[in-house]
This record gives sequence, structure tokens and C-alpha cells, in this order.
Amino acid sequence: GDSVTQMEGPVTLSEEAFLTINCTYTATGYPSLFWYVQYPGEGLQLLLKATKADDKGSNKGFEATYRKETTSFHLEKGSVQVSDSAVYFCARSNDYKLSFGAGTTVTVRA
Amino acid sequence: NAGVMQNPRHLVRRRGQEARLRCSPMKGHSHVYWYRQLPEEGLKFMVYLQKENIIDESGMPKERFSAEFPKEGPSILRIQQVVRGDSAAYFCASSTSGTEVEQYFGPGTRLTVT
Repeated sequence: GDSVTQMEGPVTLSEEAFLTINCTYTATGYPSLFWYVQYPGEGLQLLLKATKADDKGSNKGFEATYRKETTSFHLEKGSVQVSDSAVYFCARSNDYKLSFGAGTTVTVRA
Repeated sequence: NAGVMQNPRHLVRRRGQEARLRCSPMKGHSHVYWYRQLPEEGLKFMVYLQKENIIDESGMPKERFSAEFPKEGPSILRIQQVVRGDSAAYFCASSTSGTEVEQYFGPGTRLTVT
């Protein structure tokens, strides 16, 4: 079935550090890929998305590139802030269904 | 423009009671999805509804769980005779159509079964 595997956390970083969260997906069909972010006590917010191979999604300094050859969609940010502390979910679509990874908790220390 | 609204935000039920979770989609959205997030896991698809129709309930347990999205009013996820294993966060999302479009999520309802 459709599945998403993402790097386990928790991840703790200092401010201005580089962040990478790995994500791989099953290659069935032609999915769109997403990164969602969940701040404490809130619902999921779409962070970025890519709909086809080689697309790069970007938002708020975060980037991820749809790599069909490695079935990956790794999330990166060059310089994190305390406000980036949250849980990050990688997801793929199968038509209307979203399949999520288990989430990676990121804590950024001042 | 209000986002997806869910209530209650927190719900405590004793084993055997019923839980009713409500979801009001964003204005103009007629497609609703329910997902469940068990502790330490990602969200899992449960059911997809349009107004007055269940489109796909393949992710919903066969027993005790039901969902509806009436012509008027919010979508309801109903869990009868709750058990401890039902304790989870239940998220609702909505979209303008059902194919490859962004789903907007609500804040979730955290159900605790004691």
C-alpha cells in the first residue's frame, strides 16, 4: 500500500543550525508530496508541496525537492529559529487520501 | 474567512459511552475527511464524505464508528461504546474538491477514554 517513512525524532537544534528531515515514499502511481507542520496544541498546516518529479516546494525558508529516482522528499532549512519548533509530517497523496509519516518532533533552542 | 472548526477540542468519555465529534468545513468547501492520530503515530485516513454522501470509509473500523455530513450542519464522527484504544486525536480536513487539492485541517479533537 501507499506509505511514507520519515526520520525518527526527536531532533534538537540550536538557533541558526541547519535542519534536514528525511522522507521516503512508496513509488506507486504519481503522488503529490507534502510537508505539514503541527505547532503545539494546533492542527496541521500545509508547509509546502510538490506535484511532480523534480518540483521544488518552498515556504518560510523551508525547501523540499521531489526526487523520483530516490523516492525521497527531504525537508531542509538553512537556519532554524526557535519558532520552528514543531512536529513535521511528510505525506503523499493517492487521489484524495493522504498517507502520513509518523512525524518528527523538532525543538530549536535559543 | 474562518478555517476548519472542530468541537469539542477535548473530550473525556468513560468506557462504553458514546463520543460525538463535530467538524465544520471551511466556507465553500463541500468535501470533508476524517483522520485519526494515535499516540506516536502519523495521521491515518478514516473516511471521506461529501454533502449527504459517504464516498470512502475504507479506513474506518467496521464496528462502533460512523460518520455523516448532512445537507445542513457540521460533519459528525460518532463512536459508540468507546474503548481505551479509541483514545486519540481526531482531525477533520476539508477541500473544495476531492482530487489532488490541498486539504485544510482543523485543530483536532483529543478524545480520552477512561
